[in-house]
Amino acid sequence: DVVVTQTPLSLPVSFGDQVSISCRSSQSLANSYGNTYLSWYLHKPGQSPQLLIYGISNRFSGVPDRFSGSGSGTDFTLKISTIKPEDLGMYYCLQGTHQPFTFGSGTKLEIK
Amino acid sequence: EVKLVESGGGLVQPGGSLRLSCATSGFTFTDYYMSWVRQPPGKALEWLGFIRNKANGYTTEYSASVKGRFTISRDNSQSILYLQMNTLRAEDSATYYCARDYYGLFAYWGQGTLVTVSA
Repeated sequence: DVVVTQTPLSLPVSFGDQVSISCRSSQSLANSYGNTYLSWYLHKPGQSPQLLIYGISNRFSGVPDRFSGSGSGTDFTLKISTIKPEDLGMYYCLQGTHQPFTFGSGTKLEIK
Repeated sequence: EVKLVESGGGLVQPGGSLRLSCATSGFTFTDYYMSWVRQPPGKALEWLGFIRNKANGYTTEYSASVKGRFTISRDNSQSILYLQMNTLRAEDSATYYCARDYYGLFAYWGQGTLVTVSA
C-alpha cells in the first residue's frame, strides 16, 4: 500500500498567518497517463470533510484563493495564506492514484 | 443539489452485523463510483472501499482491514449505497461516511453515521 506521511501533526497559528502542510507518498502518485490524484480536505468537528484541492493544485468550487496546492511525484504541499477562524480544523491529504486509497494522518490547525 | 444521507448506525455487539445505507439524490447515481470512509474516535480518516459505476460493471474494491468482512453494494433503481458489515470488532467503532467518488477524490460526502461496537 502507498503510505502517505503528512506533517506536521499539529500547527498552532495566529489569524493572518501563512502556513504550509506537507504530504509525502512512498511512491509516485503520477499514473501511467501522467495524472496525479492527490487531494486535500478540511474536516471540522461535527461536520463532513470538505474538499479543498484536487489534482494537486485545483481549487474546488467555492474554495477561497488563500488555499493553494503544489507538488509532484511524491512531494505535495497545501499552503494557506492569511488564516481565518473558519480555517481551523483537521487537514488531510488523500492519494487516489493507487488502490487502496490512503489518507495522510492529518494536521490539526489550531490557535496558539 | 447533490445530497448523500447515511443511516443505519448504532450500537452492536462484537461479532455482530450491521447494514449502513446512503441515500443519494441530485446526480445520476449510476455514473459514479461510490466510496465508504470511516473515522474512529480521535483517529484519521480511513478509506474502506468503493463500488464502481455502470460503465465499469459495478465491481468492488476494499481495503485490507475490511476485506472479507464488509460488502459494498448499490441499489441503482433507488440510488442507494449500502455497506454490509459482518463480524464487527471494537476497532470498527467509528463514524462512517459515504462519498461520491470521482477519480479518487471525494467532492460530496454524507453527514456520517456513528457505529459503536461494544458489549
